[in-house]
Amino acid sequence: GAVVSQHPSWVICKSGTSVKIECRSLDFQATTMFWYRQFPKQSLMLMATSNEGSKATYEQGVEKDKFLINHASLTLSTLTVTSAHPEDSSFYICSADGTDYGYTFGSGTRLTVV
Amino acid sequence: AQSVTQPDIHITVSEGASLELRCNYSYGATPYLFWYVQSPGQGLQLLLKYFSGDTLVQGIKGFEAEFKRSQSSFNLRKPSVHWSDAAEYFCAVGARGYQKVTFGIGTKLQVIP
Repeated sequence: GAVVSQHPSWVICKSGTSVKIECRSLDFQATTMFWYRQFPKQSLMLMATSNEGSKATYEQGVEKDKFLINHASLTLSTLTVTSAHPEDSSFYICSADGTDYGYTFGSGTRLTVV
Repeated sequence: AQSVTQPDIHITVSEGASLELRCNYSYGATPYLFWYVQSPGQGLQLLLKYFSGDTLVQGIKGFEAEFKRSQSSFNLRKPSVHWSDAAEYFCAVGARGYQKVTFGIGTKLQVIP
């Protein structure tokens, strides 16, 4: 139980385009989901907290207009990287508060902007 | 503010040898502590967690961790390492009702034959 599916696993996009990443809780409802970003050889940094039916809460320094988060249902949150640039290339991971505190993580999305 | 320190960025051990990964935390109240493992290109998998009670916590894959309040530590141990344990290990701290979890920088484990 408590499986989180994240798609796509990897994506390459051209600079200036937008990319959408999906995070789904497959066997439980998640009122809250979290989006993290991981730079090479660094730890995970929380970007934002996604709340079903309301606006996301962004961490300090994260541009909310660049990283659009939508949590329209109890099983789906999406992160859209708008007008992507090479510096947005990173590993993005979502997690959801399932039945096990400590959160269940998705498999991550490797974004490369060229 | 809560923080986590993993002093060893990279550790190499021989297969079959014992392993200890260090983790020190800073938190004002009783912390909730976690260890996660990440294989290359993969997401995170929870190894074990400590909320309260017995300070020696058993996890999956033969791992255990001991919470020592006096030392603000939560070190991860395994008596005999397998080649499949090669991965990156993250220690994390959080708190009940406070959904933000702070991760350490991670320790990369290399296992040699």
